Amino acid sequence: AQSVTQLGSHVSVSEGALVLLRCNYSSSVPPYLFWYVQYPNQGLQLLLKYTSAATLVKGINGFEAEFKKSETSFHLTKPSAHMSDAAEYFCAVSDSGTSGTYKYIFGTGTRLKVLA
Amino acid sequence: DAGVTQSPTHLIKTRGQQVTLRCSPKSGHDTVSWYQQALGQGPQFIFQYYEEEERQRGNFPDRFSGHQFPNYSSELNVNALLLGDSALYLCASSSRREGQPQHFGDGTRLSIL
Repeated sequence: AQSVTQLGSHVSVSEGALVLLRCNYSSSVPPYLFWYVQYPNQGLQLLLKYTSAATLVKGINGFEAEFKKSETSFHLTKPSAHMSDAAEYFCAVSDSGTSGTYKYIFGTGTRLKVLA
Repeated sequence: DAGVTQSPTHLIKTRGQQVTLRCSPKSGHDTVSWYQQALGQGPQFIFQYYEEEERQRGNFPDRFSGHQFPNYSSELNVNALLLGDSALYLCASSSRREGQPQHFGDGTRLSIL
């Protein structure tokens, strides 16, 4: 079965500093991977997705992630943090079922705090 | 183009009651998934509907049931509510093809007293 591990439940960075949020996956087949962001009292918004077309994936709001098969990782980065980036971030892997449909397995999330 | 819409936004129930949550998928999507997100946790998959049938189910008891209508909208029903059912319930819609991202609604916050 697929699984996702997010290292660091809380990450703090200074405004303008590099953001690095870690995600490792466990998958027996090439996975589809996603990063979502959740602001307080809201649903999840898609930041970016990996679907095997390119190992470096660019998303919205200046975020990007690199798929590294040898490390089974899909870490999320942003060169310069902004106060508006403060939120909860979730990594997810797509897991197939027997009926040809796909569910998501989510990590436990990383809360990003941006310090002024 | 409206995204995924859920109703109601908040709900307060007492133990033992029953609740129905509703979801309208994003235009063009035919698959609806439901997730439970407890406070401080990641979303946990409940079940998924496609062509009005439950296609996948997570590790949730039979108290959790659902339905999908011909217009692709969906309902989540929970019977015999427990305190532990208090959570944010998220609906996500997508097309059936693998790799297509799921789009989430803002959720229904369910509180059990």
